[in-house]
Amino acid sequence: AQSVTQLDSQVPVFEEAPVELRCNYSSSVSVYLFWYVQYPNQGLQLLLKYLSGSTLVKGINGFEAEFNKSQTSFHLRKPSVHISDTAEYFCAVSNQAGTALIFGKGTTLSVSS
Amino acid sequence: KAGVTQTPRYLIKTRGQQVTLSCSPISGHRSVSWYQQTPGQGLQFLFEYFSETQRNKGNFPGRFSGRQFSNSRSEMNVSTLELGDSALYLCASSLAQTTEVAFFGQGTRLTVV
Repeated sequence: AQSVTQLDSQVPVFEEAPVELRCNYSSSVSVYLFWYVQYPNQGLQLLLKYLSGSTLVKGINGFEAEFNKSQTSFHLRKPSVHISDTAEYFCAVSNQAGTALIFGKGTTLSVSS
Repeated sequence: KAGVTQTPRYLIKTRGQQVTLSCSPISGHRSVSWYQQTPGQGLQFLFEYFSETQRNKGNFPGRFSGRQFSNSRSEMNVSTLELGDSALYLCASSLAQTTEVAFFGQGTRLTVV
């Protein structure tokens, strides 16, 4: 069975500081990995995805993530955050890419000035 | 291209009633998946429909059902509503090829009183 663990439920950070949101997964088969962002009262927006190929994945809004198969991790990073990055971030795994996503519990990123 | 459209956005129902939620996928997308989001359980996969057939199913009771029409639009039905069914229900669509990702709608907020 697949599972996802987001190691931090809340991450407070100051504007323009770097941030890392941690995600570990477990799976017995090859997986696809995703990061989604959710703003209040909104659906989920795809930030980036790892399907195959380069382990360093670049997404929207300056975010990037690195797939580490040996450590079964897919941590999300941004070198300099903005107030507008305040949101809930979800890591997800699937062996079917477009469906049956297994989500982590989410990390609330709070950016303050 | 229009995104995933879910209707209604908000719904209040009484315990014991049934409810039907609607999802119109992105044009050309043939796979529709449904997810339930609650504060306690987080995001959980309900089921996926592809070409009018249920292709994947999560671990939810039979009170939760769905269907997909020939135009790929999907409906989700919950019968005999319980207070614990109060949640944000999210619909996601994808092309259904193995490397495609899911795009989410804004969700339907269901409150059971």
